[in-house]
Amino acid sequence: ETGVTQTPRHLVMGMTNKKSLKCEQHLGHNAMYWYKQSAKKPLELMFVYNFKEQTENNSVPSRFSPECPNSSHLFLHLHTLQPEDSALYLCASSQDGGAHQPQHFGDGTRLSIL
Amino acid sequence: AQSVTQLDSQVPVFEEAPVELRCNYSSSVSVYLFWYVQYPNQGLQLLLKYLSGSTLVKGINGFEAEFNKSQTSFHLRKPSVHISDTAEYFCAVSENTGRRALTFGSGTRLQVQP
Repeated sequence: ETGVTQTPRHLVMGMTNKKSLKCEQHLGHNAMYWYKQSAKKPLELMFVYNFKEQTENNSVPSRFSPECPNSSHLFLHLHTLQPEDSALYLCASSQDGGAHQPQHFGDGTRLSIL
Repeated sequence: AQSVTQLDSQVPVFEEAPVELRCNYSSSVSVYLFWYVQYPNQGLQLLLKYLSGSTLVKGINGFEAEFNKSQTSFHLRKPSVHISDTAEYFCAVSENTGRRALTFGSGTRLQVQP
């Protein structure tokens, strides 16, 4: 298995539920990212981890909680979400956090909040 | 802070015709530039990147882009498109100082018609 794998591919949850999104990369990279992709809006960077340390939190509400236990795995824990949080959540990885490094993306988790 | 503008939200074109997707950026420092493609129900895939050197960059699937520093542009071109090129195309920029994360444009939907 290669590349960046995200699970689940689709998730429907109520506003009071707690769920987690998972991302795993098999590229030997050291930086991982969470993005939110909403309809008709540019991709929004949410979090950046470099060598397991969070290096950027782009003013994301606390109902989104990231976790990076090692350089290969990244989680996004969700609780008490709002309808406007419905979107495609994309995970990416790069060799390190360098600006010249291209990012490799997973296929995303389509999240729908009821 | 850096920003990216993709001037066309949709570009319809006939099969085997040439196409240009426009991208302009704004930054006070030197930048790295990327084009990504997103097929339906998939994540983003790197098409090409400009880091330094020759301003004409060739990528996968027959695409190329030209970096124009004076016009702060990085337009994507293909001399002859195929039906399979139908997808969303994103221009992205990162700065080599300060905040180094990618900033994406809002995307251009390329619709290739038979």
